Amino acid sequence: AQSVSQHNHHVILSEAASLELGCNYSYGGTVNLFWYVQYPGQHLQLLLKYFSGDPLVKGIKGFEAEFIKSKFSFNLRKPSVQWSDTAEYFCAVNACSTGTASKLTFGTGTRLQVTL
Amino acid sequence: NAGVMQNPRHLVRRRGQEARLRCSPMKGHSHVYWYRQLPEEGLKFMVYLQKENIIDESGMPKERFSAEFPKEGPSILRIQQVVRGDSAAYFCASSPKQETQYFGPGTRLLVL
Repeated sequence: AQSVSQHNHHVILSEAASLELGCNYSYGGTVNLFWYVQYPGQHLQLLLKYFSGDPLVKGIKGFEAEFIKSKFSFNLRKPSVQWSDTAEYFCAVNACSTGTASKLTFGTGTRLQVTL
Repeated sequence: NAGVMQNPRHLVRRRGQEARLRCSPMKGHSHVYWYRQLPEEGLKFMVYLQKENIIDESGMPKERFSAEFPKEGPSILRIQQVVRGDSAAYFCASSPKQETQYFGPGTRLLVL
């Protein structure tokens, strides 16, 4: 069975600080990896995804994530956060499979609070 | 291209009543997923459907919960005889084959 761990439950940063949110997964096969963001009162939006190829992926709003296969990690980074980045961030994985998509397994989320 | 639509956005039920949640996938998407988010927790998979078929229901409670995705119309998640523990946000996602899942705004169910 797949599992996803997000070790930082609540992060508080000042504007312009750098961000790194940890994500580790457990699965014996090949996975697709995702980061979603949920702004207060809104639904989940896709930040970025990794299916294959370059392990450093760039997403929207200046976010990027690096897939390190040997560490089973997919950490999210942003060099300089803004107040508008205040939100909850979810890491998710699903199993690569031929023919059909499959369910996402989510981490418990990291609540990011950016102060002015 | 409209996104994933869910209705109602908020639903209040008394214990013992039925809750019916609807999800219309994005145009061209034939895969629908339902997830539940309990307070202070991440999303948990419930069920995965394609048109007229349940593909994976490994996350569905064995009793009171059912889901369908008919040939015509939205996908329906049905909860019979609701209890307070069913209070949660229920999110639907859709995808084309082998692609990223896109989420709807969710239905927040409150059971009194």
